[in-house]
Amino acid sequence: AQSVTQLDSQVPVFEEAPVELRCNYSSSVSVYLFWYVQYPNQGLQLLLKYLSGSTLVESINGFEAEFNKSQTSFHLRKPSVHISDTAEYFCAVSVQGEGWGKLQFGAGTQVVVTP
Amino acid sequence: DTGVSQDPRHKITKRGQNVTFRCDPISEHNRLYWYRQTLGQGPEFLTYFQNEAQLEKSRLLSDRFSAERPKGSFSTLEIQRTEQGDSAMYLCASSLLANSEAFFGQGTRLTVV
Repeated sequence: AQSVTQLDSQVPVFEEAPVELRCNYSSSVSVYLFWYVQYPNQGLQLLLKYLSGSTLVESINGFEAEFNKSQTSFHLRKPSVHISDTAEYFCAVSVQGEGWGKLQFGAGTQVVVTP
Repeated sequence: DTGVSQDPRHKITKRGQNVTFRCDPISEHNRLYWYRQTLGQGPEFLTYFQNEAQLEKSRLLSDRFSAERPKGSFSTLEIQRTEQGDSAMYLCASSLLANSEAFFGQGTRLTVV
């Protein structure tokens, strides 16, 4: 079985400050790793994913996440946040071979960006 | 394409009543997933379809829950004899292939009173 732990339920941050959202997972089999974002009153959207290769993956809006196999972590970072980054962020894993849509999610981290 | 759509967006029902939710996936997407999300938690996988075939059901999906995807297009999720513990957001997602991005709908919020 797999599990995903997001260590912070809420992260307040000032605009233009950096932010890091922590995610740890456990699994006895190989997994793919994902970060999803949910803006208010919207559905979940894929932010970025790690499948293989370079352990650092980036999104188009400035987020990046680093896969650390030894620490079984996939932390999400952004060097400078905007007000529009206020949202809930979910870390998720899928078992390799079962498809990217069958996901085990963490409990989520609410990011609140203030001026 | 308008994305994954779910209907209704909100449903309030009395305990013991049956409810049915509908999900229209993105056109031509072969895979369709159902999730349930309760307050303060991440979504939990319920079941998924490959075209019209239901390939897996989570143990979370009790006998009161049934899902169908006739003709491999839209899907319905029915809950019979609803209980207060069924109150949650029910999410639907679809993907073109097994290993392609899953797109989520906005969900149906169920409140059982």
